Amino acid sequence: DTAVSQTPKYLVTQMGNDKSIKCEQNLGHDTMYWYKQDSKKFLKIMFSYNNKELIINETVPNRFSPKSPDKAHLNLHINSLELGDSAVYFCASSHGGGKEQFFGPGTRLTVL
Amino acid sequence: AQSVTQPDIHITVSEGASLELRCNYSYGATPYLFWYVQSPGQGLQLLLKYFSGDTLVQGIKGFEAEFKRSQSSFNLRKPSVHWSDAAEYFCAVALYNQGGKLIFGQGTELSVKP
Repeated sequence: DTAVSQTPKYLVTQMGNDKSIKCEQNLGHDTMYWYKQDSKKFLKIMFSYNNKELIINETVPNRFSPKSPDKAHLNLHINSLELGDSAVYFCASSHGGGKEQFFGPGTRLTVL
Repeated sequence: AQSVTQPDIHITVSEGASLELRCNYSYGATPYLFWYVQSPGQGLQLLLKYFSGDTLVQGIKGFEAEFKRSQSSFNLRKPSVHWSDAAEYFCAVALYNQGGKLIFGQGTELSVKP
């Protein structure tokens, strides 16, 4: 009965590699988000999709590319990983913008 | 610019004592406000929310929060803290005119003394 799930939970990789994080929600929500939590636990929005359409694109390097194949999935692909990309990435979903968001367990990305 | 401030980085309370975590926001319109809790290594769990109506809102795990428009505050309270409440607490405001993105405060780490 998992609501918002993310894979993988942990991701350790070398600088310069390309990696993807997957997110799925079974809540029937139409809006999904990616947040980044840095080492000081500060949370910041990265992207948001509503019904597969990109609606929020914060000032994120274009090495980060989200993709939403359908309303229930939002993936995050990162090219040419850098040390500064090390963080915990959270996926979230909601029923429309402005409503309460439900978060996944997070993916801890470590770039060596 | 919209922002959320949690003035206390770290708070320690004794088990059984009362708790109040402070949150101040800056937002031009009527805010949608939330408190989330994050246990170590876990995701964020919604404790409670305020959209409109009664300014005192009840949440899960015995938490409540009071919205005070005049003070731009949304403080979280619990009358008696349990050791399992030790966690990181985040206050957030949803910008419903910007796709509903959440702006988070810096977080308050709660430690509970036995």
